[in-house]
Amino acid sequence: SQQGEEDPQALSIQEGENATMNCSYKTSINNLQWYRQNSGRGLVHLILIRSNEREKHSGRLRVTLDTSKKSSSLLITASRAADTASYFCATVQGGSEKLVFGKGTKLTVNP
Amino acid sequence: GAVVSQHPSWVICKSGTSVKIECRSLDFQATTMFWYRQFPKQSLMLMATSNEGSKATYEQGVEKDKFLINHASLTLSTLTVTSAHPEDSSFYICSAHLAGQRGNSPLHFGNGTRLTVT
Repeated sequence: SQQGEEDPQALSIQEGENATMNCSYKTSINNLQWYRQNSGRGLVHLILIRSNEREKHSGRLRVTLDTSKKSSSLLITASRAADTASYFCATVQGGSEKLVFGKGTKLTVNP
Repeated sequence: GAVVSQHPSWVICKSGTSVKIECRSLDFQATTMFWYRQFPKQSLMLMATSNEGSKATYEQGVEKDKFLINHASLTLSTLTVTSAHPEDSSFYICSAHLAGQRGNSPLHFGNGTRLTVT
């Protein structure tokens, strides 16, 4: 069953702008992960944030987690055309090792 | 490191035939592998968890007799779509944790297999 729900479903921006994607989930989690998928390819892991963490950075990526609101956000700063892809959040529910994915945000960065 | 290889990357088959998809962990051992299915412009739906040396665990609504999973070694899991029909056409993706790392570690994904049943 779907756990995470990303918002917006699609986002189109210009190169150099920042892109923010949001994810909401329903049940308690061990961690929340963000993945990227280029069209027709597998997924690439971006960031994992644990339930006791509030913010995490990796290069141009910044992820926040608000467990009280059951939500997370992914910020990509100074976007590039190569950032064009679909971005998914995924959660591991308490007591499980299964990763459940949201519907994803399709990001288009125009050069 | 942590490379997952999936083969074939695409396959076209006739209705009624069976298709086998291989998922290999190239530089690590994977006691557990996960098989996902993705329809166009949609998210990934977990089909089953493949366990080395034991039976796979299927998600609700997934026919175990139609989607046969074998995990014969620590580096290979296979998904066989039996008696394929056009509605089985989809993008199938496998993934794995590093052995010993479970829910609190990233999944490593193969590049997926595009199955088209005619």
